[in-house]
Amino acid sequence: DGGITQSPKYLFRKEGQNVTLSCEQNLNHDAMYWYRQDPGQGLRLIYYSQIVNDFQKGDIAEGYSVSREKKESFPLTVTSAQKNPTAFYLCASSRGQGLFSYGYTFGSGTRLTVV
Amino acid sequence: GQQVMQIPQYQHVQEGEDFTTYCNSSTTLSNIQWYKQRPGGHPVFLIQLVKSGEVKKQKRLTFQFGEAKKNSSLHITATQTTDVGTYFCAGIAGAGSYQLTFGKGTKLSVIP
Repeated sequence: DGGITQSPKYLFRKEGQNVTLSCEQNLNHDAMYWYRQDPGQGLRLIYYSQIVNDFQKGDIAEGYSVSREKKESFPLTVTSAQKNPTAFYLCASSRGQGLFSYGYTFGSGTRLTVV
Repeated sequence: GQQVMQIPQYQHVQEGEDFTTYCNSSTTLSNIQWYKQRPGGHPVFLIQLVKSGEVKKQKRLTFQFGEAKKNSSLHITATQTTDVGTYFCAGIAGAGSYQLTFGKGTKLSVIP
């Protein structure tokens, strides 16, 4: 079955540490996205990529970095510069963009906690 | 920037009662999408509306897009315990914009 796989499901980070969240899709979607979800805050866009080797900052990109070397993969690194990284991170993909996204497909998420 | 407001933030209903959540934008939207997130789960796409005044139905769910394309609603008839979750709207504002802006969601609890 096609879908998006995020790993790990739970991740614990020490202060000052960089961590990388994995996101892999086998839907052959061009566009991929990273969202952060905090209680009562909805979904906020961190980064998005419309095509391989290209990505754009979203609304809350500070303290995060991404890469898109393969169509299937869009890993997110949470750097030590992100002061409040504890959150639920969701990766998504879509066939097209805008009106032609036909809805986003989300992964099951990674819950990151700073210890 | 574009804002998409959703009300109410929380709704508790008795099983069998109806439920409605509303989505309002400060700017005209190109489209509106609705998602459902079950407790502990991830958002799942429900539907997209594009045309002014559009109404779509999925079994007990009715989705509307306002005539001015600045508001939308999701109505659930005769709620069931399986309807529990958070419902998000998301829209794209302005020509040349491609990114969805999500509302903060309405969390629905159904009392059996």
